[in-house]
Amino acid sequence: SQTIHQWPATLVQPVGSPLSLECTVEGTSNPNLYWYRQAAGRGLQLLFYSVGIGQISSEVPQNLSASRPQDRQFILSSKKLLLSDSGFYLCAWSGMGATYEQYFGPGTRLTVT
Amino acid sequence: QQQVKQSPQSLIVQKGGISIINCAYENTAFDYFPWYQQFPGKGPALLIAIRPDVSEKKEGRFTISFNKSAKQFSLHIMDSQPGDSATYFCAASSRGDYKLSFGAGTTVTVRA
Repeated sequence: SQTIHQWPATLVQPVGSPLSLECTVEGTSNPNLYWYRQAAGRGLQLLFYSVGIGQISSEVPQNLSASRPQDRQFILSSKKLLLSDSGFYLCAWSGMGATYEQYFGPGTRLTVT
Repeated sequence: QQQVKQSPQSLIVQKGGISIINCAYENTAFDYFPWYQQFPGKGPALLIAIRPDVSEKKEGRFTISFNKSAKQFSLHIMDSQPGDSATYFCAASSRGDYKLSFGAGTTVTVRA
């Protein structure tokens, strides 16, 4: 069966510091991968998605970037965090091709102080 | 702009009652409509999904009703239980699209 991991689970970082969040998927090959952000009590905002290694599509121009160095690894980064970057970051995967079902990871709670 | 509009924002129901959440869309190319359940501090979990070739799909106490002509779909939670207290998101996608368009979410509270 497929499993999706995210780490760290929680993170407190000062303004201006760098960020690296990691997501890995097990049990599948060539998944589509997604990064979402969820502000407190709000909906899901798609940040990036990737349909293959090195292929990244950005949905919202901002202080963040994403990379996919391996087939089942997706990384969310920032060079300098802003207060507005605080939130709950969720990674998701779906099957190869334009399949519909997306499955979410456990999330990373980021607080920028 | 938000392609899927969800209502209500929140609702409170007594144990054993029926919770109803509604979603509406404009994009007629949408042909997949999932619902996600999210508990506090957890990632959303796929709950149930429907395609427009059927008008209703039931899984246990959860039922999706779909009205293609009205471009609306809804989630009914029958015999609501305190363990159903969560935030529910509707979503939609179309063939060939890698993305899901999510509604804003509905927080359901079931009172014992």
